[in-house]
Amino acid sequence: DAGVTQSPTHLIKTRGQQVTLRCSPKSGHDTVSWYQQALGQGPQFIFQYYEEEERQRGNFPDRFSGHQFPNYSSELNVNALLLGDSALYLCASGSTGNYGYTFGSGTRLTVV
Amino acid sequence: SQQGEEDPQALSIQEGENATMNCSYKTSINNLQWYRQNSGRGLVHLILIRSNEREKHSGRLRVTLDTSKKSSSLLITASRAADTASYFCATAYSGNTPLVFGKGTRLSVIA
Repeated sequence: DAGVTQSPTHLIKTRGQQVTLRCSPKSGHDTVSWYQQALGQGPQFIFQYYEEEERQRGNFPDRFSGHQFPNYSSELNVNALLLGDSALYLCASGSTGNYGYTFGSGTRLTVV
Repeated sequence: SQQGEEDPQALSIQEGENATMNCSYKTSINNLQWYRQNSGRGLVHLILIRSNEREKHSGRLRVTLDTSKKSSSLLITASRAADTASYFCATAYSGNTPLVFGKGTRLSVIA
């Protein structure tokens, strides 16, 4: 049973560029959430998708956007990258009615 | 913003000893969850405790929840070197709402 799959695992981008991160949820899960984790910090909630719509959003600027596809997979897009966007980006999937989440291994984004 | 605050920030113990980590939070919750993270990789769900529960066990893990004090503790008994990781508490104010994480406790278990 595949868990949550994220790609790529590592990424280096230049300031001002755009990046797309991808996530495939665990089989049977229908919600996808994205988190940003800076070094030495806990994960911070970015947004959550359900039924292809953004349902909740954390305190992140509009440069952060996302999408959920009919097969429940999701993308996180970040425009106009800043050095401060360097972090581990985690995708978590869940199913409505169940409160535990399954996390992927993350994408390590470095902005130079 | 982070709701949970874990204490201590770092903990170093010998193999076989028990490890206790504490978490405090600020607002009413539906449930509280503990996660483990190895070397900055993905989070592994350990245990979930609902607001109407006071204690839960899973293997060598024991979690308590005191909603009157807005605090929780995670006890790992008979620790092993493989338990070395960062441990995070996360709260949800209702069922499927996003998790709010603390900064974590870094546990080192020395063989």
